[in-house]
Order: sequence, then C-alpha cells, then structure tokens
Amino acid sequence: AQRVTQPEKLLSVFKGAPVELKCNYSYSGSPELFWYVQYSRQRLQLLLRHISRESIKGFTADLNKGETSFHLKKPFAQEEDSAMYYCALSRNQGGKLIFGQGTELSVKP
Amino acid sequence: NAGVTQTPKFRVLKTGQSMTLLCAQDMNHEYMYWYRQDPGMGLRLIHYSVGEGTTAKGEVPDGYNVSRLKKQNFLLGLESAAPSQTSVYFCASSPDWVGEQFFGPGTRLTVL
Repeated sequence: AQRVTQPEKLLSVFKGAPVELKCNYSYSGSPELFWYVQYSRQRLQLLLRHISRESIKGFTADLNKGETSFHLKKPFAQEEDSAMYYCALSRNQGGKLIFGQGTELSVKP
Repeated sequence: NAGVTQTPKFRVLKTGQSMTLLCAQDMNHEYMYWYRQDPGMGLRLIHYSVGEGTTAKGEVPDGYNVSRLKKQNFLLGLESAAPSQTSVYFCASSPDWVGEQFFGPGTRLTVL
C-alpha cells in the first residue's frame, strides 16, 4: 500500500540552526514527491517538488529511492520558516496526493 | 484571479443536519479535490473529480457526496452530519494529474 510517513509531529530549532524534516514513503512505482507548507492562517501551498530540483526559500529536498526518503533540508532556519510542513506523494491515478501526517516546525529566536 | 475559494469559512451543525460546502476555482482546472484535515492524520482525500460531470471516491468517502455540474464548481454534501465529521475541509484544484494542486482557505466544520 502507498504510504507517506513523517515521523516527527513537532520539530523545534533555534534561528540559524540547520533543519531536516523527514519524509519516508512506500510506493511500488516511480513516485512524484512534493513538499507543501501551511503558514499560520494561510492556505496550503506548494513549497517544492522533486522533479523540478529547485531550491525554494533556501529549502532543498533530494529523492533517495534506495532509502525511499524525501527529506526537506535547510542549512540555516529563519523564524519565518515556522509552519506546518506536509510531504505528499502523487500516484499515477488522476493526480491524487497521499499526504503524510505533517510536521510542525517551530523556529525560536 | 481569486484562485480557489470555499464557502462557508465556518459552520456549526447539529447531529443529523445536512449541509453543502461550495468550492469554486477560476483557473479553468480540470481536476478538483476535497480533503479533510484532522490533527495527527494529515490531509485525507474524500472525493475528487477529473472533469466536469465526473466524480470518484477517495480514501474516506463514507458520509459524503459530491457533484461537479460545472467545471469551476465542486460541491461537497453531508446528508446527515455526525460528530466524526468535525474537521477542517480543504478544496483543491489542479490543471492536470501531475500538476501542482492549488488549495482553498478551508472550511472549519463542527458537528455537535
């Protein structure tokens, strides 16, 4: 069965510290993987997707098919990065997304 | 462009009451989705549509019905609300099956 797991409910770091939000998936095909972010009182929005290989707001994520992981990383966290982050997997069936449980990132001053 | 809008923003229902949530998008997207967001469970797909006049079940469809009579609108109905349907409901749309999904602001529903 397809599944996305984000093992940390809450990740708390100090400003300037490195951040890694973990995401593991199980899927038998070739996955499309995404990170979505939800800032306080805002709607969910796409942060990045693995096929674009972009760095958005200093965040990067590398797809590791051997470890079935798609961890989100940022070398120096900022207070404005505080938000809920969701890892998601797209199956080849009408673009349906499977979301992980979400990780709340709190960046303290 | 307004993007994806949802009506209403908040609603309180009593058990057994019915209601319809409206999602509208002005981006001419083919695909539309309804999710529910619950603490510790992420977003779960309720129903989705791959085009006007089509609907399909997602992960958690029981207790909900949907309709897509017009391309820009996707309605989610609760015929007989239950406390287990207390949640935040998000609508989303996308231009194709691999595209980014664009989300609405959410509807917070409480069933007493």
